[in-house]
Amino acid sequence: KQEVTQIPAALSVPEGENLVLNCSFTDSAIYNLQWFRQDPGKGLTSLLLIQSSQREQTSGRLNASLDKSSGRSTLYIAASQPGDSATYLCAALSGAGSYQLTFGKGTKLSVIP
Amino acid sequence: DVKVTQSSRYLVKRTGEKVFLECVQDMDHENMFWYRQDPGLGLRLIYFSYDVKMKEKGDIPEGYSVSREKKERFSLILESASTNQTSMYLCASSSLTGELFFGEGSRLTVL
Repeated sequence: KQEVTQIPAALSVPEGENLVLNCSFTDSAIYNLQWFRQDPGKGLTSLLLIQSSQREQTSGRLNASLDKSSGRSTLYIAASQPGDSATYLCAALSGAGSYQLTFGKGTKLSVIP
Repeated sequence: DVKVTQSSRYLVKRTGEKVFLECVQDMDHENMFWYRQDPGLGLRLIYFSYDVKMKEKGDIPEGYSVSREKKERFSLILESASTNQTSMYLCASSSLTGELFFGEGSRLTVL
């Protein structure tokens, strides 16, 4: 059974710092990996989707990488801003045509002005 | 823009009441999902549907049922609400690439 882990559970950084959020998964046979952002009391917003054949995806100040062999994905946030404060979750989809999406429990990011 | 709309952001119900949570997506997606999210437990899949009138149980279907009469609409039903169903409920739909899109969530409190 797939397990997805995000460490640390919480992270606090000063504004302007570049940072990396980590996501690890136990079963490398994934179809894709998706990163989400969640603000308090709200739903999840899709940030980046990496298909299993891809190594990375970029959107603005965000860059997500995927290394299936090591069971790891990272989300890089450049020049962090207070508005980036949120909980970031990753989710791995196991197998094409499967509906088995496994979520990590998230990393709560605080960017201090 | 992609949009998943959940009918109610906040609901307060009494134990034993029947509760309907509605979700509509405007992206013509085949797949739709209902999750609940609780502190310390993360997101857990209740039910999903891969086509009209089709449904599959997720990890925690007990106490819930679903209805999908139209492609764009997926409803979650609590036949007799209980206090342990107090939670944040999240609806999602997925594209052919497997990308998941969520609604804003429905915070349900059962007294």
